[in-house]
Amino acid sequence: AQSVTQLGSHVSVSEGALVLLRCNYSSSVPPYLFWYVQYPNQGLQLLLKYTTGATLVKGINGFEAEFKKSETSFHLTKPSAHMSDAAEYFCAVQGAQKLVFGQGTRLTINP
Amino acid sequence: ETGVTQTPRHLVMGMTNKKSLKCEQHLGHNAMYWYKQSAKKPLELMFVYSLEERVENNSVPSRFSPECPNSSHLFLHLHTLQPEDSALYLCASSLEQGNTEAFFGQGTRLTVV
Repeated sequence: AQSVTQLGSHVSVSEGALVLLRCNYSSSVPPYLFWYVQYPNQGLQLLLKYTTGATLVKGINGFEAEFKKSETSFHLTKPSAHMSDAAEYFCAVQGAQKLVFGQGTRLTINP
Repeated sequence: ETGVTQTPRHLVMGMTNKKSLKCEQHLGHNAMYWYKQSAKKPLELMFVYSLEERVENNSVPSRFSPECPNSSHLFLHLHTLQPEDSALYLCASSLEQGNTEAFFGQGTRLTVV
């Protein structure tokens, strides 16, 4: 069975600083991996996804993630945080015919 | 705008009320999902429909009753709910069940009083 662990339920960074949100997965088959973002009182929006091919995936809003099979990780990064990045971020892995989500990481941006 | 529309956005209901949540997509997707999002808990998959047939029911109490009359519409009928059922209910769709990308609606914030 597939599972996802997001390290850190809350992450706080200063505006302009590097954003790093950690995600580790478990999968018995080659995984499809996703990052979603949820702004307050909104649904989830796909940021980026990894299926096959290049292990560094670029998404919207300047985010990117790198699939590292040896570390079973799919961490999300952004070089310079913006106030508008404040939201909750969810890592997900494609399980047996459904998405399996992590518990989410709330990102706070300090001025 | 993801192409998945949920109504209403907010709902307050008493424990004896009956109400329905509606989800609509015109993306040509064949699979639709209901998720429950409670504070400090992971997203919980409630129901999965593929080609209008329910293919998954994750031990959801019978006070939640889904309906999928066609591939574009999904309902969640609610009756005799409990205060702990208060949550954000999210609808999603994907091209096929288990397809790589799910599109989410904005959710219905449900409060049971």
